Amino acid sequence: AQSVTQLDSQVPVFEEAPVELRCNYSSSVSVYLFWYVQYPNQGLQLLLKYLSGSTLVKGINGFEAEFNKSQTSFHLRKPSVHISDTAEYFCAVSDRGSGYALNFGKGTSLLVTP
Amino acid sequence: ETGVTQSPTHLIKTRGQQVTLRCSSQSGHNTVSWYQQALGQGPQFIFQYYREEENGRGNFPPRFSGLQFPNYSSELNVNALELDDSALYLCASSPRGDRALPDTQYFGPGTRLTVL
Repeated sequence: AQSVTQLDSQVPVFEEAPVELRCNYSSSVSVYLFWYVQYPNQGLQLLLKYLSGSTLVKGINGFEAEFNKSQTSFHLRKPSVHISDTAEYFCAVSDRGSGYALNFGKGTSLLVTP
Repeated sequence: ETGVTQSPTHLIKTRGQQVTLRCSSQSGHNTVSWYQQALGQGPQFIFQYYREEENGRGNFPPRFSGLQFPNYSSELNVNALELDDSALYLCASSPRGDRALPDTQYFGPGTRLTVL
């Protein structure tokens, strides 16, 4: 089964600074990649997804991610963060063999301070 | 358009008891997936239901079971509760497309289960 590794458990950053949250996946053909955000005491909200086509994916709230097949990575980036971006971020992978069930990483806690 | 709803929001049970969690899927969605999220961890796939049939299962024991109803709402049942079952249980619904690509899963707010 496919798996993802989120390399940072916590990322502290100052407001208006850029941020990158790293995600690597186990190699396979035809993987599909997702980033979800979870605010405190809430469910998961989809930020963006890569299914096919352009390797640069733009999502909501100014986030984007780049699918890099050679490095098996799908890092999430934002050029300027806000206090309201403080949340838990999850990278997930799915494939057809698993019926498209989502396999999540352990999450990265983004803390934005003034 | 109503999103995915779950009930109850919080639940406290004791070890050995049984629990039923409920999920109403988003309008137009016929597939429901359940995930368990332990504290400080990412969600783990329990199982998926499509048109009232189980359509995939993760690495969870048989005491985790489910149902899907004709209106596509769903229940998760857990028998013989253990302390490690304490977690946030998330339900996600999706429209089932042609299966050439994965459908986007839309998550509910979850049910926080505490087992004492």
